[in-house]
Amino acid sequence: ETGVTQSPTHLIKTRGQQVTLRCSSQSGHNTVSWYQQALGQGPQFIFQYYREEENGRGNFPPRFSGLQFPNYSSELNVNALELDDSALYLCASSATGLNTEAFFGQGTRLTVV
Amino acid sequence: AQTVTQSQPEMSVQEAETVTLSCTYDTSENNYYLFWYKQPPSRQMILVIRQEAYKQQNATENRFSVNFQKAAKSFSLKISDSQLGDTAMYFCAFMNKRGSQGNLIFGKGTKLSVKP
Repeated sequence: ETGVTQSPTHLIKTRGQQVTLRCSSQSGHNTVSWYQQALGQGPQFIFQYYREEENGRGNFPPRFSGLQFPNYSSELNVNALELDDSALYLCASSATGLNTEAFFGQGTRLTVV
Repeated sequence: AQTVTQSQPEMSVQEAETVTLSCTYDTSENNYYLFWYKQPPSRQMILVIRQEAYKQQNATENRFSVNFQKAAKSFSLKISDSQLGDTAMYFCAFMNKRGSQGNLIFGKGTKLSVKP
């Protein structure tokens, strides 16, 4: 078990709604990355937060947004949900430095109906 | 743009036997990391092994070892003495050393089943 926790573990939303997913990073880690893993696929990088600032973004539309708080926990917000947003959302935390490891949480399974 | 390809969607192996999972990647970068992650049904990604591109020696972690061929852009994972607990999805991943620590590019994965 890593020290990265995500909530909720599962949720179901209706198309057009908004959702907020939460991630608590491991102690001592100041960087949080979010990934979307569609069924049968590898995770796709959404964005990364470092010291409360966005620090890189993948090929996702602006309706995917995020926040990082002073305690380095993070939120992923998705507006105007679409059916294709149904996926496992993974959060990974890491410390700065190129020789450190990213620790993943257990993910949030989002189903959009 | 970097890409990672895993050409084996599914594989199976008998307990105690050895299995090799394949991965190829494409990049124009010279300094990067390669990883193998394991994702059991619990969904949590677990780092199995990491290789730095500038290191010629292949990484080894207990029963897990890699065959890193930089010129061929190949990075295979060998699991020796397979155990039932090795049953999981395995993902090969790339990270540009100049980039952010968490910016991993994953392949589509290989589902490994270890049979008793």
